[in-house]
Amino acid sequence: NAGVTQTPKFQVLKTGQSMTLQCAQDMNHEYMSWYRQDPGMGLRLIHYSVGAGITDQGEVPNGYNVSRSTTEDFPLRLLSAAPSQTSVYFCASSSENYGYTFGSGTRLTVV
Amino acid sequence: AQSVTQPDIHITVSEGASLELRCNYSYGATPYLFWYVQSPGQGLQLLLKYFSGDTLVQGIKGFEAEFKRSQSSFNLRKPSVHWSDAAEYFCAVGTSGGYNKLIFGAGTRLAVHP
Repeated sequence: NAGVTQTPKFQVLKTGQSMTLQCAQDMNHEYMSWYRQDPGMGLRLIHYSVGAGITDQGEVPNGYNVSRSTTEDFPLRLLSAAPSQTSVYFCASSSENYGYTFGSGTRLTVV
Repeated sequence: AQSVTQPDIHITVSEGASLELRCNYSYGATPYLFWYVQSPGQGLQLLLKYFSGDTLVQGIKGFEAEFKRSQSSFNLRKPSVHWSDAAEYFCAVGTSGGYNKLIFGAGTRLAVHP
């Protein structure tokens, strides 16, 4: 019963590099989201998906891309990393009325 | 626009004392409300949720929360705090049925003195 799995747990990037944060869930949830957590700001929604092939922007989408080709996977892409993207990233999934289940997070540092 | 305010950034209580963490929300429709807890270096764990019905909601680890529509509040309470409750607590309001988007407060960091 893995729940929501995020990889990697830690990552250091140089400014301008690209990378993909992976997220997978095994609960057959339709809804998945990416959040970033910064001190004193709680969690802010980056992108979300209501099912395979359907994605939409959240509160802070700039600099990030997503796709949802399967129910299980919802990767987050940073096309050209910037120091402002240094943060802790959480992936979450949910079925209706059950609230979100969160992954353990990816701590990203951009230097 | 939806928003969540947690007025207390840090709270310190003694072990065995009672606890109340405040949460106020702004949302035009019936809110779906959540409390999450985050231990250092960990992800978020759902403590409890409110969708409808009884306004006093029981959660895990001995926590409860009360929804007060007139005050737009959803305060979290625990009658006797344990040292293991030290963590950061987040209140969130859900839109589109509670499963689509969550708007989080900035969090309250709880310290517990022995």
